[in-house]
Amino acid sequence: QVQLKESGPGLVKPSQTLSLTCTVSGGSISSGGYYWSWIRQPPGKGLEWIGYIFRTGTAYYKPSLKSRLNMSVDTSKNQFSLNLRSVTAGDAAVYYCVRGIPAATSYAMDVWGQGTTVTVSS
Amino acid sequence: QSVLTQPPSASGTPGQRVTISCSGSSSNIGSNTLNWYQQLPGTAPKLLIYSNNQRPSGVPDRFSGSKSGTSASLAISGLHSEDEADYYCAAWDDSLNGYVFGTGTKVTVL
Repeated sequence: QVQLKESGPGLVKPSQTLSLTCTVSGGSISSGGYYWSWIRQPPGKGLEWIGYIFRTGTAYYKPSLKSRLNMSVDTSKNQFSLNLRSVTAGDAAVYYCVRGIPAATSYAMDVWGQGTTVTVSS
Repeated sequence: QSVLTQPPSASGTPGQRVTISCSGSSSNIGSNTLNWYQQLPGTAPKLLIYSNNQRPSGVPDRFSGSKSGTSASLAISGLHSEDEADYYCAAWDDSLNGYVFGTGTKVTVL
């Protein structure tokens, strides 16, 4: 059974870069046409899609975050990562790494990590 | 501000049927399939319904989804106490070029 787990610093200073890694276990990140995704949830608020990356390294980002965002995949480590530059208090959230599967004209997120809390503060 | 609108809350007694609506537009629900997620308190979301009305393995059949035009619904038939959670609809939006979530509905079992 595929499992995902996020790792990274829980505290980031304003204007710095948030870096998170998701480790995939129980399956290979190289198999299948999965959408390796990031979702975040600010405290007490709803879910926000950040973007996804394929095993090939092709990525698709939320347009409003695109200028600050970079995702990468390391198939040798079975990991994918997120880097968000110039963070502000508005980027504080629980960040989830997620596996997405094709679902007709959309895609559905069928495996979620447990989430990691990121605080932005000096 | 989400482009998919849900009622903030819904409630029912055990055994009752509860329905949650999700209203969108031609660029999201009107042209793409819809998914539903359940988020139990303090946990990560879980896929409940995909492609409008398909249940992943392990999801009880008391959960069902439907879509018509630019709106969709999630029905819980025979409400259980463990169904108390937040529910989110979600779909790809062709205008925004991204995946959008609904505003979320908190279901309370009375």
